[in-house]
Amino acid sequence: DVKVTQSSRYLVKRTGEKVFLECVQDMDHENMFWYRQDPGLGLRLIYFSYDVKMKEKGDIPEGYSVSREKKERFSLILESASTNQTSMYLCASRLAGGKETQYFGPGTRLLVL
Amino acid sequence: DQQVKQNSPSLSVQEGRISILNCDYTNSMFDYFLWYKKYPAEGPTFLISISSIKDKNEDGRFTVFLNKSAKHLSLHIVPSQPGDSAVYFCAALYSGGGADGLTFGKGTHLIIQP
Repeated sequence: DVKVTQSSRYLVKRTGEKVFLECVQDMDHENMFWYRQDPGLGLRLIYFSYDVKMKEKGDIPEGYSVSREKKERFSLILESASTNQTSMYLCASRLAGGKETQYFGPGTRLLVL
Repeated sequence: DQQVKQNSPSLSVQEGRISILNCDYTNSMFDYFLWYKKYPAEGPTFLISISSIKDKNEDGRFTVFLNKSAKHLSLHIVPSQPGDSAVYFCAALYSGGGADGLTFGKGTHLIIQP
């Protein structure tokens, strides 16, 4: 069974803080993704990584960066958190290849005050 | 510009009846479509998928239909059960696009009434 874990389920941060969201998968998947989910907007892709040290911007990368130093771990970084980054953040992973299923973590609900 | 549209934010269905969730897409390059189910405070879980070379895929109570000419797909759940109450997301991708992520619709909240 694929397992994708995220370091925190709930997080409260202040405006201007640097925030790290961690994601770990245990199935040796090449591809990893970060999405955010907002009411009425669905899931939107922030960044993805197709392999270690590789990263690509998704649809809404502004205000975010990522790090993939090891295959199993993909970190999302908010350099200077803002209130409009309050959201549910979802990490996903899959084997290489477009038609492979993406498996999601439980999500991190981030509140920026 | 929304490339995957779910025009019904919510849908209420009686237990035991059929639930039909609809999804439209605009990008002709999409060739693989998926449905995910999401409970509150949990990540989405994969439900069923369909390739553009097919027009129907069935898995137990869940069937997905694809009409390529209309750029429309639908998810049928028969019979609907209380545990099916969740938000359902339609997603699409172009499989030749490398490691690109999925493009999601905004979701439909399905409520199964007892």
